[in-house]
Amino acid sequence: DTAVSQTPKYLVTQMGNDKSIKCEQNLGHDTMYWYKQDSKKFLKIMFSYNNKELIINETVPNRFSPKSPDKAHLNLHINSLELGDSAVYFCASSQDQGANSPLHFGNGTRLTVT
Amino acid sequence: QKEVEQNSGPLSVPEGAIASLNCTYSDRVSQSFFWYRQYSGKSPELIMSIYSNGDKEDGRFTAQLNKASQYVSLLIRDSQPSDSATYLCAVNGGAAGNKLTFGGGTRVLVKP
Repeated sequence: DTAVSQTPKYLVTQMGNDKSIKCEQNLGHDTMYWYKQDSKKFLKIMFSYNNKELIINETVPNRFSPKSPDKAHLNLHINSLELGDSAVYFCASSQDQGANSPLHFGNGTRLTVT
Repeated sequence: QKEVEQNSGPLSVPEGAIASLNCTYSDRVSQSFFWYRQYSGKSPELIMSIYSNGDKEDGRFTAQLNKASQYVSLLIRDSQPSDSATYLCAVNGGAAGNKLTFGGGTRVLVKP
C-alpha cells in the first residue's frame, strides 16, 4: 500500500564504499525527486526527474548519480562515500512538475558513514 | 543567504490553545507554498497548500499568505499533543522541475 517506498531504511557503511538507495512510487506520478536532510533538519533538493528525464541537478558532488529506469523508479548511487554524506535521504514524487503539485515523501533512508 | 526562514522553536503551546507558526521567504516571484509536518524520525507529510493571498482553512489548520510581505503562516487551533512535531514551510519559486525550498522547520510542543 505504501505510495512512495525506498530501501533500505538504514544504511551503515565505511568511508570509500559505494552504495545505492532504491525508490519506487505506485501513485502514477510523473515526477520524482531526491532530497537530503542533514543533521540540522534542512531538506535540500538534489535531483528531480520528470518521466525519466533529468530536470533538476543541484550542486551535488558527481559521486552522486541518480538513475530513473522508468517513471515509477528513481535510484541513487553514491560512490566513494564520505563522512559528510551521513544524512537522511528522502525520495519523493509529485503528479507533475507544476508549481502547484505537492510532494509525497518516502520514509527515508538514514545513511551513516563511519 | 537563507531563502526560507522559520523560527526553530520550540514553540510551547498548552493543549487546546492556538499555535501560530511563521515563515518568510526571499524570492518575490514564488508561486506556491506548502506546510509539511514531520514527526521525529518520520518523513514529511503535507498538511496545507496555499497559492493565493488570504486565508485557507482545512479542519483545525489555517494557512495565511501575504505575497506583498513575503510571509506565510500556519495556525493550529485547539492544539493537541499529537500536533507535537516539526512544521516545515516550503516555497516553490516557479523554476522548472517543481523545485521546493524548505525552511529549517519550527518545532512545536503541545503540553497537556
